[in-house]
Amino acid sequence: GNSVTQMEGPVTLSEEAFLTINCTYTATGYPSLFWYVQYPGEGLQLLLKATKADDKGSNKGFEATYRKETTSFHLEKGSVQVSDSAVYFCALTHYGNNRLAFGKGNQVVVIP
Amino acid sequence: DAGVIQSPRHEVTEMGQEVTLRCKPISGHNSLFWYRQTMMRGLELLIYFNNNVPIDDSGMPEDRFSAKMPNASFSTLKIQPSEPRDSAVYFCASSFKQGAGSPLHFGNGTRLTVT
Repeated sequence: GNSVTQMEGPVTLSEEAFLTINCTYTATGYPSLFWYVQYPGEGLQLLLKATKADDKGSNKGFEATYRKETTSFHLEKGSVQVSDSAVYFCALTHYGNNRLAFGKGNQVVVIP
Repeated sequence: DAGVIQSPRHEVTEMGQEVTLRCKPISGHNSLFWYRQTMMRGLELLIYFNNNVPIDDSGMPEDRFSAKMPNASFSTLKIQPSEPRDSAVYFCASSFKQGAGSPLHFGNGTRLTVT
C-alpha cells in the first residue's frame, strides 16, 4: 500500500540555519505529495504540494521537489526563524482518492 | 470562509461516559475525514466520507466508536463507552474531491481526556 517515511526524531537548530527534513514514499503509479505543518494547539495546515514528477512546491520560504527516481520529497528552508517551530508532516494521495497517507511527523525547534 | 469548525475544543469525561465530537466542514467540500492524534501512534485515519457516505471505516478502533454524517454540513464522532486509552486529540478535515492534489483542510481539533 501507500506509505510515507520521515526521518526519525526531533530537529533542533539555531535561527537562520538551513533546514532539511527527509521524506521518502512508497506508492504505485504517480501520487501527489504534500507537506503539512502543525503549530502548537492547532490543526494541520497545507504548507506546499507537488502533483507530478520534477514539480517543485514552495511556500513561506520552504521548498520541496518531487523526485520520482529516488521516491523522495525532502523539505528545505534556507534560513529558519523561531516562528517556524512546529511539527512537519509529509503525506501523499493518489489520483481519484483524496485519502492522505501521513508520515509520523518531525518536531522542529528553532532556537533564537 | 470560517474553515472547518470542531466542537468542543476540550472535553474531559469519566470512563464509561458517552462522548460526542462535532464537526462542520467547509461549505462545498464533499469529503470529510476523522483523524486521531497521539504521541505514541501519531496521526491515525479513523473514517472518511464522500458525499455523506462512509467509504472506509477500517481505522475505527472498536465498536465503541461510531461516526455519522447526516448531511453535507455536519458530522459526529461518538465514543460509547469511553475509556482512558481514548484520550487523544481528534481532528476533523474536509476537502473537495477532484482528482489529484486536493488538499485537506483541518479543524483545530478536540482534545479529549478520559479519566
